[in-house]
Amino acid sequence: DIQMTQSPSSLSASVGDRVTITCQASQDIRIHLNWYQQKPGKAPKLLIYDASNLQTGVPSRFSGSGSGTDFTFTISGLQPEDIATYYCQQYYNLLVSFGGGTKVEIK
Amino acid sequence: QVQLQESGPGLVRPSGTLSLTCTVSRYSLSSGYYCGWIRQAPGEGLEWIGSLYHSGSSYYNPSLKSRVTMSVDTSKNQISLRMRSMKAADTAVYYCAMAAPHSPREAFDFWGQGALVTVSS
Repeated sequence: DIQMTQSPSSLSASVGDRVTITCQASQDIRIHLNWYQQKPGKAPKLLIYDASNLQTGVPSRFSGSGSGTDFTFTISGLQPEDIATYYCQQYYNLLVSFGGGTKVEIK
Repeated sequence: QVQLQESGPGLVRPSGTLSLTCTVSRYSLSSGYYCGWIRQAPGEGLEWIGSLYHSGSSYYNPSLKSRVTMSVDTSKNQISLRMRSMKAADTAVYYCAMAAPHSPREAFDFWGQGALVTVSS
């Protein structure tokens, strides 16, 4: 099984700050990585697919990068509506697994 | 815009079997699909249960594989989940999700609102 280690588990930042979340895979997953946003009581929402591609309709302040085992998700200019938990998800080898999540709060 | 809606019992007895159905609207599954079930225990993260491909292939979380069966009924446009030998630790919100039609990527673009399932006597 491929394990996804996401960090930090939570963070607090000010409006306008640059926020970075990392996700490390236990083995090479190439670019088979997606990022989701989940607000309380809601279903997850796809933001980034294949490591760096922005889903249609998602604001450009969200971005993703990386390949292999190390991946980064960035919010360039945190907004109040970005308060949520973010998850990475790999889909290499037909099996899927999620990272543990990062809860983003406003300072 | 594809819509998904889960339905099923909110309460399951320990050792019982969970049966959930996800009804898909605004898209015909007979045209092709990549779909899955994901669950989230209270206050916890997301856990993948399994995925189905239009080819007929299915893949399950190794930790749940012995208890889970997923299927698609294209005539009803529904995705189903059966999980046997339910226990308290299976209490969670269960989501069905699917990729955008004809998309080459394996990402869950569309999600149902989730169905809370409680395992209790």
